[in-house]
Amino acid sequence: GAVVSQHPSWVICKSGTSVKIECRSLDFQATTMFWYRQFPKQSLMLMATSNEGSKATYEQGVEKDKFLINHASLTLSTLTVTSAHPEDSSFYICSAQSPTGGGEQYFGPGTRLTVT
Amino acid sequence: GEDVEQSLFLSVREGDSSVINCTYTDSSSTYLYWYKQEPGAGLQLLTYIFSNMDMKQDQRLTVLLNKKDKHLSLRIADTQTGDSAIYFCAASSGNTGKLIFGQGTTLQVKP
Repeated sequence: GAVVSQHPSWVICKSGTSVKIECRSLDFQATTMFWYRQFPKQSLMLMATSNEGSKATYEQGVEKDKFLINHASLTLSTLTVTSAHPEDSSFYICSAQSPTGGGEQYFGPGTRLTVT
Repeated sequence: GEDVEQSLFLSVREGDSSVINCTYTDSSSTYLYWYKQEPGAGLQLLTYIFSNMDMKQDQRLTVLLNKKDKHLSLRIADTQTGDSAIYFCAASSGNTGKLIFGQGTTLQVKP
């Protein structure tokens, strides 16, 4: 199956700093990638849709100035959490949409962010 | 908006079959998906079914779709301890490419 990587797998940062998370589709080109947030024992919450070469589309209630998304190539999307606060601590997961088949999404392994 | 519902917990014995159920509300969902998540990991796509199909089988996995009732199920035959995980049902949302996820069903497999 298709492989999607995320980097880093976990990160600890101080309050007020910014953190960048990378999402790469390793063996296919993805015009569309998605960023999710998952709280413990809960389902995934879609944060934004990342389209290559255009601005991301954010879900209602997600601050676009806080969660900066850049999709500069067909294999890379980045999420930058700016001025992080402890409440931003979470598990962030990206996915890349297959350009063929049933539009299925392939997920990265996730990034655990802890803000101290 | 679209809603996807799943039962939260299922416990089975090793070797038995597991059936995880899901209901969705958007009749225009073209594709329905099953994902597996192990602790601390991302989601693994198990299988998906096109809305004009009733059934899809892939080795130990069987997906049944009742489009009239908007009911989807995942049957795992000969369940193993390695199948213990959270299983998410997801429905495609229109032409947006977005997926709407259920709450996830925790499958516990007892030896």
